Amino acid sequence: GNSVTQMEGPVTLSEEAFLTINCTYTATGYPSLFWYVQYPGEGLQLLLKATKADDKGSNKGFEATYRKETTSFHLEKGSVQVSDSAVYFCALSGRGFQKLVFGTGTRLLVSP
Amino acid sequence: DGGITQSPKYLFRKEGQNVTLSCEQNLNHDAMYWYRQDPGQGLRLIYYSQIVNDFQKGDIAEGYSVSREKKESFPLTVTSAQKNPTAFYLCASSREWGSSYNEQFFGPGTRLTVL
Repeated sequence: GNSVTQMEGPVTLSEEAFLTINCTYTATGYPSLFWYVQYPGEGLQLLLKATKADDKGSNKGFEATYRKETTSFHLEKGSVQVSDSAVYFCALSGRGFQKLVFGTGTRLLVSP
Repeated sequence: DGGITQSPKYLFRKEGQNVTLSCEQNLNHDAMYWYRQDPGQGLRLIYYSQIVNDFQKGDIAEGYSVSREKKESFPLTVTSAQKNPTAFYLCASSREWGSSYNEQFFGPGTRLTVL
């Protein structure tokens, strides 16, 4: 079945550091890929998405590229802020079915 | 503003009691979902509904029940049969069923604690 694997956290960075959170997936066919962010005590918000190979999703300085050859969708940001501290979830959705499959989440802690 | 509301934010329940979590959306979305989140884990799907008066079991439906009598409402009942109900519950909706391009919108969540 479909699955998502994320790097374990927490990821601890200083403000303005470069961020990478790894995400790889297993799926049949060509899924859509998503990154969601969860701030403390809140629900999830969609951060970015990509629906086909080589697509790049981007939002609020975050980027991720759908790499079919490596089945990856790594999240990157060039310069993190304290306000980026949150839990980040990678997810996929197979074609024709809206069920989202989530990774276990990666907690990011950014210090001033 | 359009969105999803969940109430209450915090809920305490004694063992053996049923409890109902509310989820309302004013996005005019057809599909709605309930997820459970446990510490250090991803989200697991409890139930989903493609359209009014229809719902399907997700991956962990045992001990839960739902109804979908109105398009905007999808309440979740945690019954006494659920062996480990303490968790964070998230409701979500999406515009239509069957397309993987549609994003899911999430509510703020309800934290349920069994005393």
